[in-house]
Amino acid sequence: QKEVEQNSGPLSVPEGAIASLNCTYSDRGSQSFFWYRQYSGKSPELIMFIYSNGDKEDGRFTAQLNKASQYVSLLIRDSQPSDSATYLCAVGSSNDYKLSFGAGTTVTVRA
Amino acid sequence: GAGVSQSPSNKVTEKGKDVELRCDPISGHTALYWYRQSLGQGLEFLIYFQGNSAPDKSGLPSDRFSAERTGGSVSTLTIQRTQQEDSAVYLCASSPRDREVQFFGPGTRLTVL
Repeated sequence: QKEVEQNSGPLSVPEGAIASLNCTYSDRGSQSFFWYRQYSGKSPELIMFIYSNGDKEDGRFTAQLNKASQYVSLLIRDSQPSDSATYLCAVGSSNDYKLSFGAGTTVTVRA
Repeated sequence: GAGVSQSPSNKVTEKGKDVELRCDPISGHTALYWYRQSLGQGLEFLIYFQGNSAPDKSGLPSDRFSAERTGGSVSTLTIQRTQQEDSAVYLCASSPRDREVQFFGPGTRLTVL
């Protein structure tokens, strides 16, 4: 079982729609969770981090965390073509300093 | 302020040559990480430095890979006797302390011919 699993996609959504990205993790003691966006040929860029159960909103982005289900998600509202990228879920280890990254979900927003 | 910088941005080398990649973290960040990303693949952890502690080298794929961090700031990743399978983008990240958000540099694209 991979430490962090994401649907690879591609996830295709029309402009203005909501894109929903899911991530599950295996380390039950993890306390920190991150979403990164990576454009093709570029390095990962932090979008959001979340530490507590529930929702965290930042502009058009909402991160949702459910530690009991070991599940974290990212919603992108009013999707724009500029949101087309690969989104990486990263989970902090419960016993050291490493982040485990998922393989990423590729999102394509259709104009 | 300035972000994480890496050099060179691209490196093409011949099989068997040694290469040195450089990372300059965000000023004041004590934690520094190296990752490797092969085409279409996820991030592979290589090595971690935190302050003056001994680095965690558990992700280095072979003894041809080594890294150092001088003065708690700049880091260099050295690959000796490069192989074609070493071709990848090498990413450096830093964070204010461990267990916190990591900020990535632009990466070095290494091509071994």
